[in-house]
Amino acid sequence: KQEVTQIPAALSVPEGENLVLNCSFTDSAIYNLQWFRQDPGKGLTSLLLIQSSQREQTSGRLNASLDKSSGRSTLYIAASQPGDSATYLCAVRGDGGSQGNLIFGKGTKLSVKP
Amino acid sequence: DAGVIQSPRHEVTEMGQEVTLRCKPISGHDYLFWYRQTMMRGLELLIYFNNNVPIDDSGMPEDRFSAKMPNASFSTLKIQPSEPRDSAVYFCASSRAGGEQFFGPGTRLTVL
Repeated sequence: KQEVTQIPAALSVPEGENLVLNCSFTDSAIYNLQWFRQDPGKGLTSLLLIQSSQREQTSGRLNASLDKSSGRSTLYIAASQPGDSATYLCAVRGDGGSQGNLIFGKGTKLSVKP
Repeated sequence: DAGVIQSPRHEVTEMGQEVTLRCKPISGHDYLFWYRQTMMRGLELLIYFNNNVPIDDSGMPEDRFSAKMPNASFSTLKIQPSEPRDSAVYFCASSRAGGEQFFGPGTRLTVL
């Protein structure tokens, strides 16, 4: 059974710092991995989607990497801003082709201090 | 595109009452997912549909929960009878095959 773990559960950094959020999964047979952001009381916003054949994806100050064989993904946030404060969740889709549900980690709650 | 639309945004009901949550997926998406989020268990998939057909309902906690998708633009999740432990935020999401999942704003359900 796939399990997704995110460490740390919470992280506080000063504004301007570069930071890395970690995600690990137990079954390397994944179809893709998706990073989300969730603001308090809100829904999930998709940040990046990495297909199993890809090593990384970039969007603005965000860069997500995937090492499928070791069961790891990282989300790198450059030059962090207070507006980046949110909970970041990673989720993996099983290797059932286009079908299959997302298995979520519990998230990392990020606080960027001005 | 308006994104995934859910209603109501908030629902407060008493134990034993029937609750119906509604979702309109993004047009053109052929997958629809219902999730539940709690502090204790995080985000859990309840059920998902492909082309309006339920594919995997193994996450539905009990027979009190049921979901339907009568057409490509509408789905419901019903809880009957509701219990206090059903209190959670319920999310609907949609996607194309193999693509990103886009989430609605959620329905915050409180069962007293």
